[in-house]
Amino acid sequence: DTAVSQTPKYLVTQMGNDKSIKCEQNLGHDTMYWYKQDSKKFLKIMFSYNNKELIINETVPNRFSPKSPDKAHLNLHINSLELGDSAVYFCASSQDREYTGELFFGEGSRLTVL
Amino acid sequence: DAKTTQPPSMDCAEGRAANLPCNHSTISGNEYVYWYRQIHSQGPQYIIHGLKNNETNEMASLIITEDRKSSTLILPHATLRDTAVYYCIVRPFYGGATNKLIFGTGTLLAVQP
Repeated sequence: DTAVSQTPKYLVTQMGNDKSIKCEQNLGHDTMYWYKQDSKKFLKIMFSYNNKELIINETVPNRFSPKSPDKAHLNLHINSLELGDSAVYFCASSQDREYTGELFFGEGSRLTVL
Repeated sequence: DAKTTQPPSMDCAEGRAANLPCNHSTISGNEYVYWYRQIHSQGPQYIIHGLKNNETNEMASLIITEDRKSSTLILPHATLRDTAVYYCIVRPFYGGATNKLIFGTGTLLAVQP
């Protein structure tokens, strides 16, 4: 079983469209994250949810809206897509918000905005 | 901003030990050193972390200098599958800190056959 799974793996869309990326973890973790990796390979945190509560919001445009229906799921909805949103988006989870162990990452969702 | 400095790239012969350095001269007493790697087209993968003692697991060893200003990740017998970008990250322990890993540019390790 994949610990952290994301769908879709690839997403190609036009500017101005709205799209969503879904993430699920089966590790029983309390905390989930969204990271963005741009074309220069910089990996930056966007959001974090702890047990459905938003705890990190790294000055991401409000076109990006994360939603956590339960602690095993963290979805990312993006409105009015722009060219600069093209990137690989990684979901991750950890046991809890302060756990000093590892973060488990998904395989990524590559978004291409045309 | 990342608080670590790593060489942008390194080569290593297959079967040899790969020693990846990291400078974290401004590390605080309550900060851990973490290592992750990212194989091409995959998500980052945890390798190891430590505070001040040397650590070893099935993947690698972590050597932290006594003053904690630098560390070295050692892959004892590198294989072609170890070709990846390796990230050295410092992160606060407890104290209400959220688990926010800040990735730098990392070191691209190329294992040569």
